[in-house]
Amino acid sequence: DQQVKQNSPSLSVQEGRISILNCDYTNSMFDYFLWYKKYPAEGPTFLISISSIKDKNEDGRFTVFLNKSAKHLSLHIVPSQPGDSAVYFCAAIIANAGGTSYGKLTFGQGTILTVHP
Amino acid sequence: DTAVSQTPKYLVTQMGNDKSIKCEQNLGHDTMYWYKQDSKKFLKIMFSYNNKELIINETVPNRFSPKSPDKAHLNLHINSLELGDSAVYFCASSRQALRGGPPQQYFGPGTRLTVT
Repeated sequence: DQQVKQNSPSLSVQEGRISILNCDYTNSMFDYFLWYKKYPAEGPTFLISISSIKDKNEDGRFTVFLNKSAKHLSLHIVPSQPGDSAVYFCAAIIANAGGTSYGKLTFGQGTILTVHP
Repeated sequence: DTAVSQTPKYLVTQMGNDKSIKCEQNLGHDTMYWYKQDSKKFLKIMFSYNNKELIINETVPNRFSPKSPDKAHLNLHINSLELGDSAVYFCASSRQALRGGPPQQYFGPGTRLTVT
């Protein structure tokens, strides 16, 4: 039972254009959502997060939008650069959970973004 | 300096063997994690330790045993390796205070385990 899903395995965009990466979730208890970026042969690195009480968070070229009613979030990268080419993982957490759910990040399966010069 | 390091980076071994993967972090974090990335690319948490105490133990075969000798290290020992154990294993660490704020976990580069 995958509680976080990224249904697009890959996305290809032209440099300078907008990249939109999508993520859907099923567990309404999640209260933080995060995006991680992963280059080949490296571990995921944190990119941006959003609290479930917000609908938008922006950091430079990266903006995350959250639609709680649709249980959907998206990451927008504007303008896209070739260095943005990587795998992007969406993740979610019940930040105040105790016991065996404490600190448990639930990841999607990732979307490969390719930005062409 | 590497924040979260894992050794080895690649591990090829035969079924039935016992192997260990080591993880060290120099970030001063007191919570460490092991994740498995399977063939379908999902990253799934296996274990988490906080101050050397096990706090997350997902449904993982008991052939997998984490060991935390101190707060900076979390090693993963796997007994009687099976073909299905082939995957990339990531170690991560974070501060304890995951409650109430955007939690950030810092990941190691991964260990690609291939069981033949």
